[in-house]
Amino acid sequence: AQRVTQPEKLLSVFKGAPVELKCNYSYSGSPELFWYVQYSRQRLQLLLRHISRESIKGFTADLNKGETSFHLKKPFAQEEDSAMYYCALRGTSYGKLTFGQGTILTVHP
Amino acid sequence: DVKVTQSSRYLVKRTGEKVFLECVQDMDHENMFWYRQDPGLGLRLIYFSYDVKMKEKGDIPEGYSVSREKKERFSLILESASTNQTSMYLCASSPVDTYEQYFGPGTRLTVT
Repeated sequence: AQRVTQPEKLLSVFKGAPVELKCNYSYSGSPELFWYVQYSRQRLQLLLRHISRESIKGFTADLNKGETSFHLKKPFAQEEDSAMYYCALRGTSYGKLTFGQGTILTVHP
Repeated sequence: DVKVTQSSRYLVKRTGEKVFLECVQDMDHENMFWYRQDPGLGLRLIYFSYDVKMKEKGDIPEGYSVSREKKERFSLILESASTNQTSMYLCASSPVDTYEQYFGPGTRLTVT
């Protein structure tokens, strides 16, 4: 069975501070990991995927197979980063994703 | 521009009613999904479809059924709505090459 755990329901930081949203997964095969984001009154959208190894809006995430983690990081948080963030895992079945519980990030001015 | 639309943003139904939630995508995607989104529980997959008339149960299919008669349309059916089905329902679609999922705006269903 595949599972994604986001241990923090809520995360608050001040503008300019570093931020790290934690994600741990459980999967026996070779996973594909994603981060999705939902800004206030907007639809859920893809933020980044581990295979592309990109930095999107200053966010990066590295897949650590040893620790089965895919934490999302940004060195200097901005107020517009405030949103709900979901970590997701794709196994092998038709693009089906397993999502974590989500973390609400609030960046204070 | 990628578009997934859902028939209603807000819906209020009574216990025992049959409820239809409609989702339409205009991207010719093969895969379509229905999730429910609840605080503290994240997104949970109800059903998905990988082709017309093909469907598979997700993690929480009980109390729900689906229909996919055309490639662009995926319907979620609550045969007899119950109060514990009060939730936000999200539809998504994805192509089979990137598997990136594109989401609709959601339908907030309240069952009283």
